[in-house]
Amino acid sequence: AQSVTQPDIHITVSEGASLELRCNYSYGATPYLFWYVQSPGQGLQLLLKYFSGDTLVQGIKGFEAEFKRSQSSFNLRKPSVHWSDAAEYFCAFRHASGGSYIPTFGRGTSLIVHP
Amino acid sequence: SQTIHQWPATLVQPVGSPLSLECTVEGTSNPNLYWYRQAAGRGLQLLFYSVGIGQISSEVPQNLSASRPQDRQFILSSKKLLLSDSGFYLCAGQNSGANVLTFGAGSRLTVL
Repeated sequence: AQSVTQPDIHITVSEGASLELRCNYSYGATPYLFWYVQSPGQGLQLLLKYFSGDTLVQGIKGFEAEFKRSQSSFNLRKPSVHWSDAAEYFCAFRHASGGSYIPTFGRGTSLIVHP
Repeated sequence: SQTIHQWPATLVQPVGSPLSLECTVEGTSNPNLYWYRQAAGRGLQLLFYSVGIGQISSEVPQNLSASRPQDRQFILSSKKLLLSDSGFYLCAGQNSGANVLTFGAGSRLTVL
């Protein structure tokens, strides 16, 4: 079955430290992959996306992600975390179902940033 | 660009009462529309999606229903709320031919 897994429920980092959030997918073809961020009580905002081509994609707010087909992964990275990056992060992919394309989300990773 | 409006932002309802959450889309035509529910620590669960007026697909059996009476309007309803219907409901839209979702700010429902 098609799915996306975020193995870490919570990640705690110090401000200025590097960050990597993990995402693995299960899908029979190359999926369209996304990372979204959600501030408390708000909707989700797109950070970046991968459809094809260069496997290292750049997003907003200094985030990047790398698609690794061999590992079925699409991990999100940031070299230096800011306190304002504290939020919930969702990995997602789009798969086909009954003629429509369905966006499916992981359960999310909560990022805590210590000063 | 596309903007998603949701209301109400917050709602407290007694068990057994009806529900209507509304989502409207601005800035695009014929979008695909989605209702998600977010429970704490459980990510986003897709409830319904719609590819056009009157076309609703349900992902999971539940106490809720959805309707799309107009191209840019998507409504989530219930005739009788259950305690388990409490949660944060998100409406999202996707332009035809595009692959990115735009989300509304969400509606927090508390059923007492």
